[in-house]
Amino acid sequence: GENVEQHPSTLSVQEGDSAVIKCTYSDSASNYFPWYKQELGKRPQLIIDIRSNVGEKKDQRIAVTLNKTAKHFSLHITETQPEDSAVYFCAASYDDYKLSFGAGTTVTVRA
Amino acid sequence: NAGVTQTPKFQVLKTGQSMTLQCAQDMNHNSMYWYRQDPGMGLRLIYYSASEGTTDKGEVPNGYNVSRLNKREFSLRLESAAPSQTSVYFCATGQAGEQYFGPGTRLTVT
Repeated sequence: GENVEQHPSTLSVQEGDSAVIKCTYSDSASNYFPWYKQELGKRPQLIIDIRSNVGEKKDQRIAVTLNKTAKHFSLHITETQPEDSAVYFCAASYDDYKLSFGAGTTVTVRA
Repeated sequence: NAGVTQTPKFQVLKTGQSMTLQCAQDMNHNSMYWYRQDPGMGLRLIYYSASEGTTDKGEVPNGYNVSRLNKREFSLRLESAAPSQTSVYFCATGQAGEQYFGPGTRLTVT
């Protein structure tokens, strides 16, 4: 099955700086890569996703890039704010049904 | 429009007891999922239902059973709870890959 690895496991950034989280996947058939944000005690929420026919996608301060050849994808958060503090999960899917999740990155934005 | 709802929010069980976690959605999605979340391990798929009338095992199905009651409802049953099943359980619904999660059930087995 698909194996998704996520790094780093924790990330501390100064408010206003950028944050980057990286994920690698094992199954070259995977074609859908979403990112979820989970605040403490809350449910995971989809924040951005990308499909394998696209190399980059942006939504305001967040962007995702995909390198199919290297089988890795990244989440970029620019101009970080305190409300960006959360756990972020990457995931991959090859069939539009099952998602394989990374272990998560805890992001702390320091004021 | 409640999205995805789960009951109960919290539950404490003794080893060997049984219980059913309920999930309902009003998003008209065909697919529904049950995950468990443990510290440092992300979200692991227990069972899923690609459409009404079908269910399939995920990554960690042992000790669980599911029922897709209709398009809206998907339940997860623990027949004989074990301490290793202490976790937060999330139900999700999905369409074209995108998945939307319920608020979760925090289960403790003593």
